[in-house]
Amino acid sequence: GENVEQHPSTLSVQEGDSAVIKCTYSDSASNYFPWYKQELGKRPQLIIDIRSNVGEKKDQRIAVTLNKTAKHFSLHITETQPEDSAVYFCAASRSNSKLTFGKGITLSVRP
Amino acid sequence: DVKVTQSSRYLVKRTGEKVFLECVQDMDHENMFWYRQDPGLGLRLIYFSYDVKMKEKGDIPEGYSVSREKKERFSLILESASTNQTSMYLCASSLGPGRKGEAFFGQGTRLTVV
Repeated sequence: GENVEQHPSTLSVQEGDSAVIKCTYSDSASNYFPWYKQELGKRPQLIIDIRSNVGEKKDQRIAVTLNKTAKHFSLHITETQPEDSAVYFCAASRSNSKLTFGKGITLSVRP
Repeated sequence: DVKVTQSSRYLVKRTGEKVFLECVQDMDHENMFWYRQDPGLGLRLIYFSYDVKMKEKGDIPEGYSVSREKKERFSLILESASTNQTSMYLCASSLGPGRKGEAFFGQGTRLTVV
């Protein structure tokens, strides 16, 4: 089955700096890669996703890049703000079926 | 507005009890999921259902079973609760294959087995 790895487990950045979070996946047939944000005490919510026929996608301050050859994808957050502090999960699936998540990374944005 | 609702926010059960966690979605989604969330371990898939009465084991199905008799409802069953099943349980749903893949989560059920 699919295995999604996410490293490191924590990341701390200064407000205004950029943050990059990386994930790798094992199943070359996976074609859908979402990123979820989970604030403390709340449910995970989708912030951006990408399909395997696209190399990059951007939405305001966040972007996701995909390297199918290396089987890794990354979340980029620019001009970080304190409200970006949360746990971020990457995931992978084949054709919108079983969704496998990484272990999550805790992002802290220092004011 | 999209809604996934789990029957309980907090639950305390005794070791050996049979426990039912219920999840209902109102979006006519084909896919439904049960995850378990533990610190440092992320979201681990217990079971996945892609249609009524259809299910697939996830990564940690041992000690759990599921039921999906209706499209909108997906139940997680702990046959004989044990203390190592104390955890946060999250239900999610999404559209089926070939369609927009966003998964919507319920608010979670924090289960404590004593």
